[in-house]
Amino acid sequence: NAGVTQTPKFRVLKTGQSMTLLCAQDMNHEYMYWYRQDPGMGLRLIHYSVGEGTTAKGEVPDGYNVSRLKKQNFLLGLESAAPSQTSVYFCASRQWTNSLSPLHFGNGTRLTVT
Amino acid sequence: EDKVVQSPLSLVVHEGDTVTLNCSYEVTNFRSLLWYKQEKKAPTFLFMLTSSGIEKKSGRLSSILDKKELFSILNITATQTGDSAIYLCAVSGRTNAGKSTFGDGTTLTVKP
Repeated sequence: NAGVTQTPKFRVLKTGQSMTLLCAQDMNHEYMYWYRQDPGMGLRLIHYSVGEGTTAKGEVPDGYNVSRLKKQNFLLGLESAAPSQTSVYFCASRQWTNSLSPLHFGNGTRLTVT
Repeated sequence: EDKVVQSPLSLVVHEGDTVTLNCSYEVTNFRSLLWYKQEKKAPTFLFMLTSSGIEKKSGRLSSILDKKELFSILNITATQTGDSAIYLCAVSGRTNAGKSTFGDGTTLTVKP
């Protein structure tokens, strides 16, 4: 009963380096989301996907790219990391037919950019 | 643009106290308001509210929604140290692809 799995759990990057965060869910959810959480600022939406092959920008998309090649996976990429991207990143998913359903979250990836 | 404001931002109480957390919102074509509890890692779901005036309860926690005044409250009675967490409020509209807009959260600390 894995739910939503994020890898890696921790990562330290130098400014300008690139990386990809992987999110995998085994609940057959259509909707998937990437959020970032900074101290005192709650969760802010970076990008989201309403189904395989689709992506859309959220509230704070600059500096990030995403892909949803398979329904169960949602990748978040940083092409050239900046210190402002130091944050905790959460992936979440939910059933597509009903925005009443709660979000299921992964355990987060703590990223530090030096 | 959807907006959620939570208050207070932080709260320190002693075990046995009762607390009330507030969430006010603005959202286009309201669909639902959800409360989550976040301890060390991922937020976990507490309540979903869609209808005004109907209280949801789970043990010592309860929540209610006022759609006219655009707010919700989360009550915790007889608090315990295990209630220490960040409590997040989020709203979703009917036309925004299932997106949720979150407030900044209330950090609750319960001291023994």
